Amino acid sequence: DIQMTQSPSTLSASVGDRVTITCRASQSISSWLAWYQQKPGKAPKLLIYKASSLESGVPLRFSGSGSGTEFTLTISSLQPDDFATYYCQQYNTYSRTFGQGTKVEIK
Amino acid sequence: EVQLVESGGGLVQPGGSLRLSCAASGLTFSSYWMSWVRQAPGKGLEWVANVNQGGSGKYYVGSVNGRFTISRDNAMNSLYLQMNSLRAEDTAVYYCARVRIDSGSDHNYFDSWGQGALVTVSS
Repeated sequence: DIQMTQSPSTLSASVGDRVTITCRASQSISSWLAWYQQKPGKAPKLLIYKASSLESGVPLRFSGSGSGTEFTLTISSLQPDDFATYYCQQYNTYSRTFGQGTKVEIK
Repeated sequence: EVQLVESGGGLVQPGGSLRLSCAASGLTFSSYWMSWVRQAPGKGLEWVANVNQGGSGKYYVGSVNGRFTISRDNAMNSLYLQMNSLRAEDTAVYYCARVRIDSGSDHNYFDSWGQGALVTVSS
């Protein structure tokens, strides 16, 4: 299986900060990567697909980039509603795998 | 608006069985692959199983292969997960998710999720 590793595991930031989360794949996945946001007790929500395509309705402050084995999710100006856990997920193979998550906390 | 509502979770003893259901609305259910994804308490997400539109194509993560069966009833707009020989490590919230296929490929990801059903395997 392809392993997905996110860094950092926890990130402390303030409202208005620019935030970047990294996701690395154990082998090339081309651009077959999605990002999800999850709040406590809630289902995940799709933010980004195909590494850089923004899901409809998702604020423009979210962006994704990368290809091959290294990817980033950037929040250009952190808002109160963005404090959550973020997961990357590869879908290059049928055995889809997720990263372990990055929790974005209030500094 | 797509709505996916899971039911059937609960407490079950190791070795026991449980059947989860997912009622879908707001979508042409028979047009979509569907999935189950789980999340152990305090842990990350794990894809469990996929089924194609007609129900003939089914795929599983290795740890549940031979114990879990995914199925669907398109007339009832419903997805199911039959879980047998349950183990403590199967304890998780189980999410029903709609699969979106990237245009021009067969690569796919999850674009709508239910609220989840908690399955606890314990004696």
